[in-house]
This record gives sequence, C-alpha cells and structure tokens, in this order.
Amino acid sequence: GAVVSQHPSRVICKSGTSVKIECRSLDFQATTMFWYRQFPKQSLMLMATSNEGSKATYEQGVEKDKFLINHASLTLSTLTVTSAHPEDSSFYICSARDLAGGPFDIQYFGAGTRLSVL
Amino acid sequence: GQNIDQPTEMTATEGAIVQINCTYQTSGFNGLFWYQQHAGEAPTFLSYNVLDGLEEKGRFSSFLSRSKGYSYLLLKELQMKDSASYLCAVRDKEYNFNKFYFGSGTKLNVKP
Repeated sequence: GAVVSQHPSRVICKSGTSVKIECRSLDFQATTMFWYRQFPKQSLMLMATSNEGSKATYEQGVEKDKFLINHASLTLSTLTVTSAHPEDSSFYICSARDLAGGPFDIQYFGAGTRLSVL
Repeated sequence: GQNIDQPTEMTATEGAIVQINCTYQTSGFNGLFWYQQHAGEAPTFLSYNVLDGLEEKGRFSSFLSRSKGYSYLLLKELQMKDSASYLCAVRDKEYNFNKFYFGSGTKLNVKP
C-alpha cells in the first residue's frame, strides 16, 4: 500500500514551546490529510481535516489557534502545537487519502508522533 | 453526529475464530473500514465494506448490514501476532468530502 511518513516519531519539549509535526505522502498525492489525537487505551479522535491550498476544517472543540495546520503541497501537511502544555501530551497521528485510490478511498496512516510536554 | 460502538476487550485462543462486532449511527454513511493497531503504532488497513455482505481477505473477513448499522470483523486461525486493537471506522460524507470516525477499538488478547 501507499506510504505515509510522519516526523518526528517522538518529541519531548518544555511547556510553552511550539512543536511542528510533518506528514508526507511518499508515493502518492494527497489533497486531503487528516490529523488525529489518541490518548492511552482510547481510539483515534479526529482533530481536523487538512485540504491542500485551503484552510483546515477543525472538529468541534479543537482550538484552531492552538493546533495550526498547513497543507502547502499535495504531499505535505504540518501540524504545529503552539505553546504546548502538559495536557497536550498525546499520540498524534496523520493520515492521507490517495487521490488515485479509486472508490475505496482508503486512508493510509503515518507512524505517529508521541509528544511529551514537561 | 456519529456514534460507533464496539466491545472494549475480547480474549480468544490461538487457532480459534473470533468475531468483533461494530454498530454505528451516522448521518452520511459512505463505507466502513477495519484497522488493526498494535500498541504504540499507527493503524494498518484490514478491510473495507460499502455494500451489504461479506468481504473475505485471507484469514480476515468483514461483514456489513447497512440497514442494521452493523458490521463485524471475523478472524480465523488466530495467531499470537493477532493480539492488537481492532478499530471500526465509518466514512461519513459531509459537505462533499469524506471524514473518518473511529470507534473506541476492541483489544483482542490471543492466548496459547
């Protein structure tokens, strides 16, 4: 299947700093990427839908000024956690839709980023 | 909104068959997916149903009944490596594009 690269895989930062997470589709174009957050032993919570060339669509309860999303090209979306605090510590996962994926419209996931804010 | 339910945890024996159920309520149903997720890793795609019926893929099969808002994932000839969480995800069409909403996941424990 298609490959989605997410970087970094793990980051530890001090409270108040900003952290940028990159999500790249390596062998396909993705006009739409999704950002999820996952707490321990819980499922994926959709945070926002990132569309290439336009503003991201955020789910209810997700602060757009806190979680900045940029989707500048068909293969790259970034999530920046601004002024991170300990409660932002979580596992963040991105996924991308393959434009040429046919009717299945499968989402392919990155390996995730574990963010720990001290 | 979306409401997706699946059992929290199940235990089965190596070599056996296990069925993981998922019920859902969505406003714009456009497909149901099953993903496998090992602890600390990203989910990997297992199967997809958009029409009613059974889709078979090796040891894994998935069934869908749209009228009942119901799906199940069937795992045959269980192996120890099948111990993982299994996520039911519904694709929901909103404003001409699709979103995926995940259930809470079913943790499957395979014992010898």
